[in-house]
Amino acid sequence: GNSVTQMEGPVTLSEEAFLTINCTYTATGYPSLFWYVQYPGEGLQLLLKATKADDKGSNKGFEATYRKETTSFHLEKGSVQVSDSAVYFCALSDRDTGRRALTFGSGTRLQVQP
Amino acid sequence: DTEVTQTPKHLVMGMTNKKSLKCEQHMGHRAMYWYKQKAKKPPELMFVYSYEKLSINESVPSRFSPECPNSSLLNLHLHALQPEDSALYLCASSQDRGRGNTGELFFGEGSRLTVL
Repeated sequence: GNSVTQMEGPVTLSEEAFLTINCTYTATGYPSLFWYVQYPGEGLQLLLKATKADDKGSNKGFEATYRKETTSFHLEKGSVQVSDSAVYFCALSDRDTGRRALTFGSGTRLQVQP
Repeated sequence: DTEVTQTPKHLVMGMTNKKSLKCEQHMGHRAMYWYKQKAKKPPELMFVYSYEKLSINESVPSRFSPECPNSSLLNLHLHALQPEDSALYLCASSQDRGRGNTGELFFGEGSRLTVL
């Protein structure tokens, strides 16, 4: 079956620090990969996505590259801000199976201190 | 702004009450989803509708009853819930399977349910 593994949180950083959140996956098909962000008290928002190997998704200074050889999709940002404090979920969608739903990782809480 | 609208945003109900959560989207999506999210946990899939037909039920207790009246609306009827059912309930929608569909889900902001 499909699964997504994320690094444990919380991750606590100072403003302007470099961020990496690791994500690896197992999939039976050829998945699309996503990072979703959830701010306190809100729903999930798509942060970025990649649909094939070597694609780089990017948005709001965040980037992640689809690495098929290492089955990874690590999230990075060069300089975090206090407003980036949220929970980040890595997810996959296996388009080659009949299952129509995302498989989520456990989530990583990011706390950015001024 | 999210294009998936959920109402109500907050709901408090007793264990004997009957209530409903509502979800609406106008993106022309033909797949709609209910997820349940407990605090500090990822969303858990409950139901999937495809072309207004129930296609996935993740062994959800019958006190949760989904309904898809048309392609834009999704309801979740609640009856005889337990306190452990208190959670954030998220609705989502997606495009049809097929060419160009990346599998992305569009989420609403959720309905926070408290069962007393």
